[in-house]
Amino acid sequence: AQSVTQLDSHVSVSEGTPVLLRCNYSSSYSPSLFWYVQHPNKGLQLLLKYTSAATLVKGINGFEAEFKKSETSFHLTKPSAHMSDAAEYFCVQMDTGRRALTFGSGTRLQVQP
Amino acid sequence: SQTIHQWPATLVQPVGSPLSLECTVEGTSNPNLYWYRQAAGRGLQLLFYSVGIGQISSEVPQNLSASRPQDRQFILSSKKLLLSDSGFYLCAWNAGGRTDTQYFGPGTRLTVL
Repeated sequence: AQSVTQLDSHVSVSEGTPVLLRCNYSSSYSPSLFWYVQHPNKGLQLLLKYTSAATLVKGINGFEAEFKKSETSFHLTKPSAHMSDAAEYFCVQMDTGRRALTFGSGTRLQVQP
Repeated sequence: SQTIHQWPATLVQPVGSPLSLECTVEGTSNPNLYWYRQAAGRGLQLLFYSVGIGQISSEVPQNLSASRPQDRQFILSSKKLLLSDSGFYLCAWNAGGRTDTQYFGPGTRLTVL
């Protein structure tokens, strides 16, 4: 069975400083990986996805993620945090057979003024 | 463009009462449909998925069931709710085939008392 590990349950940064949210995925020949964001009491919004094209994936709102096969990692970064980035972030891997998603446990990002 | 609807947005139900949550998708045909549940402070767990009318696959044994009476309609039901059924229920769809991005509805917050 697939598993996705988000290494930090909470991350706190100051506004204007870099953001790093860490994720490790199950080894797979050709994984499909995603980052979703969830603001309080809201649904999930897709930030970015990796599907075996470029290893550095750019997403919305200035986020990007780097796929590293040797480390089975897919960490999410942003150069400068905004207050509006405060939310829960989920790293996700798709099961290519069922086309269903396996979610990490989430990382809550706090942005301090 | 495609749109996904869920209702109700919030629901408070007593233990032992029945449940019916509805999800509909507009702007696409023959989508793959999914029900996920997010318990408090946890990631999302896949409950059911469907690749076509009347075709339901269950991921987790429990007192919930799902049905797909029409191509773009997906219903989550229970005959008798348990306290542990409380959570945030999200419906999602993707276009099937080789398309892998899933799009989520706004969610239903269910509280069982």
